[in-house]
Amino acid sequence: QSVLTQPPSVSGAPGQRVTISCTGSSSNIGAGYDVHWYQHLPGSAPKLLIYGNNNRPSGVPDRFSGSKSGTSGSLAITGLQAEDEADYYCQSYDTSLSVVVFGGGTKLTVL
Amino acid sequence: EVQLVESGGGLVQPGGSLRLSCAASGFTFSSYEINWVRQAPGKGLEWVSYIGRSGSTIYYADSVKGRFTISRDNAKNSLYLQINSLRAEDTAVYYCARMGLDALYYFDYWGQGTLVTVSS
Repeated sequence: QSVLTQPPSVSGAPGQRVTISCTGSSSNIGAGYDVHWYQHLPGSAPKLLIYGNNNRPSGVPDRFSGSKSGTSGSLAITGLQAEDEADYYCQSYDTSLSVVVFGGGTKLTVL
Repeated sequence: EVQLVESGGGLVQPGGSLRLSCAASGFTFSSYEINWVRQAPGKGLEWVSYIGRSGSTIYYADSVKGRFTISRDNAKNSLYLQINSLRAEDTAVYYCARMGLDALYYFDYWGQGTLVTVSS
């Protein structure tokens, strides 16, 4: 059971917009710790997509955006493309556990 | 170009040991905190261990405390993970991951991972 809760799967057609939620608690996201997002294709290195709730590293398309509110974070992907099909993980820090924590991951399927 | 390349994984019997390595290049290794993160088959990402820039600050997940030892050699731009008393539940791909410099607790670069399989 992951400390951060994500939906197991989401899907959308090419060109559509999808969102992936990440629900935490008062000891992590709700305590003020930032939410970060990673894209992971099987067999490859996870890639940082969003850091500090809503910042994109250089090279990440602006189709990807992040937000945070209360004890939750959210990743939005607009203009879905076939290459976006991957697993997405949220991550934060938990002050009660004193460790970095991840969500269980969400598999995005592009229909 | 920032690169992290893990090695040392393999098939090991329960109770056995392995030493994983992570070779870093393309950045000033000694300036960054580095972590090990693993992914068991069909599961999500799990943080394993952290080491500070000088190697003097170290943390472990409860699941590996007392069995795993993280270390680094800044002169060789390398990170290590000594894993002992291996259990079936340690079977996973192990990634080394660099921490961002702004103290926000995220990982800005990851390696491709090395697979550890614990089985008799």
